[in-house]
Amino acid sequence: ETGVTQSPTHLIKTRGQQVTLRCSSQSGHNTVSWYQQALGQGPQFIFQYYREEENGRGNFPPRFSGLQFPNYSSELNVNALELDDSALYLCASSPQQGIAYEQYFGPGTRLTVT
Amino acid sequence: DAKTTQPPSMDCAEGRAANLPCNHSTISGNEYVYWYRQIHSQGPQYIIHGLKNNETNEMASLIITEDRKSSTLILPHATLRDTAVYYCIAHNNAGNMLTFGGGTRLMVKP
Repeated sequence: ETGVTQSPTHLIKTRGQQVTLRCSSQSGHNTVSWYQQALGQGPQFIFQYYREEENGRGNFPPRFSGLQFPNYSSELNVNALELDDSALYLCASSPQQGIAYEQYFGPGTRLTVT
Repeated sequence: DAKTTQPPSMDCAEGRAANLPCNHSTISGNEYVYWYRQIHSQGPQYIIHGLKNNETNEMASLIITEDRKSSTLILPHATLRDTAVYYCIAHNNAGNMLTFGGGTRLMVKP
């Protein structure tokens, strides 16, 4: 069984640019959540996708957007990058909504904005 | 999710039990206590969860007080590989959004 994978591992962007991060969910999982983790802090929920629809959103501006594809993989897009967007971005997949103990996290993408 | 409070850091000797406390005095009746850990450069990993009763699995034990206002995660024989940040989360299983606090940085020392 393949776990949750994310790409790229590391990324450096300039302020004002746009970035796309990718997540492949674990086989059989139809729900993907994205989190932002600033250095030294716990992960903060960005949004969740369930069967290709956004299904819950945290306190993040609209320039953070996402997609989920028919194979349940997902993308996180961030427009107009700001320095404070520098963080580890984590995705987590689960076989259904509402069962946190079956939520598996990927290793994350480290984004640096200069 | 109810707010949880954890000490920022703890040390434990290798081979000894690590007891990580968590305060969740405002927890609702339908909220579970979840524990995750995050080893450096990895994503968080689920450890254990419980509602009222104490729970044990192959990784750890969870002791929840009778009034449910606090809990303790126990790693019975800590190893160097247990060095990580441990997060205690109160979650009602309605949706997968988890509210992580600052966690406890556990350092297991030889």
